[in-house]
Amino acid sequence: GQNIDQPTEMTATEGAIVQINCTYQTSGFNGLFWYQQHAGEAPTFLSYNVLDGLEEKGRFSSFLSRSKGYSYLLLKELQMKDSASYLCAVQNSGNTPLVFGKGTRLSVIA
Amino acid sequence: SAVISQKPSRDICQRGTSLTIQCQVDSQVTMMFWYRQQPGQSLTLIATANQGSEATYESGFVIDKFPISRPNLTFSTLTVSNMSPEDSSIYLCSVSVDTDTQYFGPGTRLTVL
Repeated sequence: GQNIDQPTEMTATEGAIVQINCTYQTSGFNGLFWYQQHAGEAPTFLSYNVLDGLEEKGRFSSFLSRSKGYSYLLLKELQMKDSASYLCAVQNSGNTPLVFGKGTRLSVIA
Repeated sequence: SAVISQKPSRDICQRGTSLTIQCQVDSQVTMMFWYRQQPGQSLTLIATANQGSEATYESGFVIDKFPISRPNLTFSTLTVSNMSPEDSSIYLCSVSVDTDTQYFGPGTRLTVL
């Protein structure tokens, strides 16, 4: 079966760092994606990891451990506009659709 | 990247009617997918739209309810047939540009009364 778990909600303070975890058990693995989705909008691509390690892109970083079936999204210097849902998704094989977790709703407070 | 547009952006429909949603991409793409996102939920794959052949549907979704067309590499339609209030959702078109990036259209917000 396919199972992708992430926390339902998180709250963090403006200017702080927050880590959103994702664990997965899927039938195959061709990469892990993170998307940001603001309320009422479509998901926006943030990152893609296929090899173990950390990928850094500005204030956002994403980490992958394939042996542990684990990823996290790290957001630094949080801003109010980072309040959104963050979706973890796994691709089982090349050019196939993604399997999504339920998403983590992040609230950034002053 | 790919620029994806969807029409309509939103609609309010009566029970028992059908709505066709269009997805247009600004470049030829190999893979196109249709997802549904029910209120407060994550994304669920409906089907993969195959160019020139029948779509591949996920468990729980059938062609009679969600017919899909893909006449070429830049365009696809999804029809929601014989609608009921349970079909109220956001419907999203997604494309795969290369193996490490999938982009989403802006979505169609459907409300069924």
